[in-house]
Amino acid sequence: RKEVEQDPGPFNVPEGATVAFNCTYSNSASQSFFWYRQDCRKEPKLLMSVYSSGNEDGRFTAQLNRASQYISLLIRDSKLSDSATYLCVVGRYQKVTFGIGTKLQVIP
Amino acid sequence: DAEITQSPRHKITETGRQVTLACHQTWNHNNMFWYRQDLGHGLRLIHYSYGVQDTNKGEVSDGYSVSRSNTEDLPLTLESAASSQTSVYFCASSADPQEAKNIQYFGAGTRLSVL
Repeated sequence: RKEVEQDPGPFNVPEGATVAFNCTYSNSASQSFFWYRQDCRKEPKLLMSVYSSGNEDGRFTAQLNRASQYISLLIRDSKLSDSATYLCVVGRYQKVTFGIGTKLQVIP
Repeated sequence: DAEITQSPRHKITETGRQVTLACHQTWNHNNMFWYRQDLGHGLRLIHYSYGVQDTNKGEVSDGYSVSRSNTEDLPLTLESAASSQTSVYFCASSADPQEAKNIQYFGAGTRLSVL
């Protein structure tokens, strides 16, 4: 079983739609959780950290469920500029493990 | 502003040649990492360092080496380039986890083609 598993997609959604991604992780001792965004042929960039209490940043909401070992990302009111690959990242101490990424394509 | 830079951004080399990719960060981070990214595999860890003189192998370290002589730099060397090492290489750095959160900051990447 992979340490971090994501559905690679692609998810094709119309502008204005709400879309959700899930990610599961295998190590119950994991300590830190993130979503990164990666645009085509560019470097990954931190989108948001994920906390057990859930956190929101504008149209983006991230949730962590430690009991079930999954992380979610919800994007509301999708914009064309949200088209990218979203990487789930799970860490323990200094090391992190990246999921393969979920590709999102927002369609006009 | 602090940053992490990689050079060269693009490199074409021949099979069997030694190649070194540079990574320089001004965050003063102790932790530095090298990844490769290929279609269907996502980011895979090659080598990492938690401080000066410290280096460790990642999951795909065969054929690669690193050295850490100062805080700012972690060069990645391909000892004898192979076509299977054609990839996009990313360097990243992070602060100590005690400070928080293992957030990794990435360089812009190096596209390496081995012919």
